[in-house]
Amino acid sequence: EVQLLESGGGLVQPGGSLSLSCAASGITFSSYGMSWVRQAPGKGLEWVSAIYRDGNTAQYADSVRGRFTISRENSKNTLYLQMSSLRAEDTAVYYCAKDLDGNNRYLDSWGQGTLVTVSP
Amino acid sequence: AIQMTQSPSSLSASVGDRVTITCRASQGIRHDLGWYQQKPGRAPKLLISAASSLQSGVPLRFSGSGSGSLFTLTISSLQPEDSATYYCLQDYNYPRSFGQGTKVEI
Repeated sequence: EVQLLESGGGLVQPGGSLSLSCAASGITFSSYGMSWVRQAPGKGLEWVSAIYRDGNTAQYADSVRGRFTISRENSKNTLYLQMSSLRAEDTAVYYCAKDLDGNNRYLDSWGQGTLVTVSP
Repeated sequence: AIQMTQSPSSLSASVGDRVTITCRASQGIRHDLGWYQQKPGRAPKLLISAASSLQSGVPLRFSGSGSGSLFTLTISSLQPEDSATYYCLQDYNYPRSFGQGTKVEI
């Protein structure tokens, strides 16, 4: 059974930094692309970032490019999202998700999410 | 960036009704579209990939169609457990983009 477990969320002040982790089990982690998707309170889903299987290619939403960095450590089956220069509008539940077949398309397994709150 | 426009934003229907949700892309995306279901307080769930490929375990009353820039998700006979918000997501290029969601109430 695939399990994705996010951690690292919490309260941070505007301009601050936070690092999220997503621990994967039940899969050959290095065979799948991974993504972060967020959802602001009461709002819809927003794609944030994706990283290819080998970790050498990353993609970002315009809203976070230059402030967020996605990375992965295949030896530890873990995905990361380093967030800096945080803004109030970054407040959201952050989900990690794996792709369906290693081609960075179709997110077929999701974690339970971790809440990030950016507030003074 | 590709814009995904879903309609309607919400709908109310009865058990047994046929429900159709539309997603329109601002440019052609071939068939690179997925449909997701999200229930309150839960993570999204992939229902359909590649516009029309039903995921394992998803009830057969769900179906997807379309290509290019216009896509539909159909629930052939609405069930109480289908009450949720549904999203499309284009997987054609980056940055990826979701539709704004369609809330289905029963």
